Amino acid sequence: DGGITQSPKYLFRKEGQNVTLSCEQNLNHDAMYWYRQDPGQGLRLIYYSQIVNDFQKGDIAEGYSVSREKKESFPLTVTSAQKNPTAFYLCAGSRTGGEEDTIYFGEGSWLTVV
Amino acid sequence: DAKTTQPTSMDCAEGRAANLPCNHSTISGNEYVYWYRQIHSQGPQYIIHGLKNNETNEMASLIITEDRKSSTLILPHATLRDTAVYYCIVRLLTSWGKFQFGAGTQVVVTP
Repeated sequence: DGGITQSPKYLFRKEGQNVTLSCEQNLNHDAMYWYRQDPGQGLRLIYYSQIVNDFQKGDIAEGYSVSREKKESFPLTVTSAQKNPTAFYLCAGSRTGGEEDTIYFGEGSWLTVV
Repeated sequence: DAKTTQPTSMDCAEGRAANLPCNHSTISGNEYVYWYRQIHSQGPQYIIHGLKNNETNEMASLIITEDRKSSTLILPHATLRDTAVYYCIVRLLTSWGKFQFGAGTQVVVTP
């Protein structure tokens, strides 16, 4: 079995704490992405990475950080600077990120700030 | 950037064809149209994509108008498991890698 694996599925965080969401893929995808989804809304791009050791800010990067030390892994850290972090987070990957490319998603992680 | 417009919601009877419209009047000549769907609390699932010609796969058919300003996703025989939010996306070539998801169409398949 393979694909895009996110963990944990559900996570609770106290205010003021950082939390890291894991994303691993075994599809040999060059490109990886993180999206945020609020209830009843579409997806918004947080960060994306085209290649190892390189990543770019998306539309809502403030309060988040990422790393891409390995091709297979693209963890997302939700920092205490993110004022409203409670949301559904989706990791995705695509082969090249080029013109005709298909993006594949993990099953998502629910983050709740308590 | 090319944007898409979809109806907020639509109902479909089980066993009937579901036709989901999408307007993308500002699409550029080399931008693709993609369709994804999302079942509640799951990651979006790829359905189909196309550039100019109509496309068909095991899940659905994609009909793109000749002027490319609109398209229709067809689910030939809707089942209850097809109840989901369906997203029509135009791939933004000016912003590498971005798939811009709007609010989509909530499709409810009823028995």
